Amino acid sequence: LAKTTQPISMDSYEGQEVNITCSHNNIATNDYITWYQQFPSQGPRFIIQGYKTKVTNEVASLFIPADRKSSTLSLPRVSLSDTAVYYCLVGDMNGGATNKLIFGTGTLLAVQP
Amino acid sequence: NAGVMQNPRHLVRRRGQEARLRCSPMKGHSHVYWYRQLPEEGLKFMVYLQKENIIDESGMPKERFSAEFPKEGPSILRIQQVVRGDSAAYFCASSPPGIDPYEQYFGPGTRLTVT
Repeated sequence: LAKTTQPISMDSYEGQEVNITCSHNNIATNDYITWYQQFPSQGPRFIIQGYKTKVTNEVASLFIPADRKSSTLSLPRVSLSDTAVYYCLVGDMNGGATNKLIFGTGTLLAVQP
Repeated sequence: NAGVMQNPRHLVRRRGQEARLRCSPMKGHSHVYWYRQLPEEGLKFMVYLQKENIIDESGMPKERFSAEFPKEGPSILRIQQVVRGDSAAYFCASSPPGIDPYEQYFGPGTRLTVT
């Protein structure tokens, strides 16, 4: 499984766009990039997943450059309720018998009023 | 469709007692995972189960911990003779068969406190 590196924390203000970048230099050909969000005292929640280029859903956008060695989660116009830890995960969706998720330390996003 | 259910939400045990944590996956989900989150740390995989089978228990401590997912009923994570270091939040997740294994649905967690 490819190792990921993210900033430990980020600060933002309400209404701003927030971009969280994740490095995964050793990503393999079959690996997908998945992002989870975890609010305090709750379980993680799947946000978005992609393989290359750009993916967008109702929550966020995911930008993946051609070399796939990094990815950027973009949250448009954040609000106080977006304060959470964001995890970037990389792995083979057909990873054999095990489907375990390997979480790093994540990025704590603090949104200020 | 109800989400992943875990109970109890909070559990207090004295050292040496047993802790039983229950997880009911989402309807139609036959894959269950348990993760542990120690205070101020990230989530760590413990075990992956399908109905009546343990698929991957590489994250389970070798002693005192066991997990099952019977044909009927919830998945159970059992911790025998608890110690203070077992105090943590234990999360269960589930996913349906044949779908993206990286899209897992997590429950609210059980917070275990060992006194």
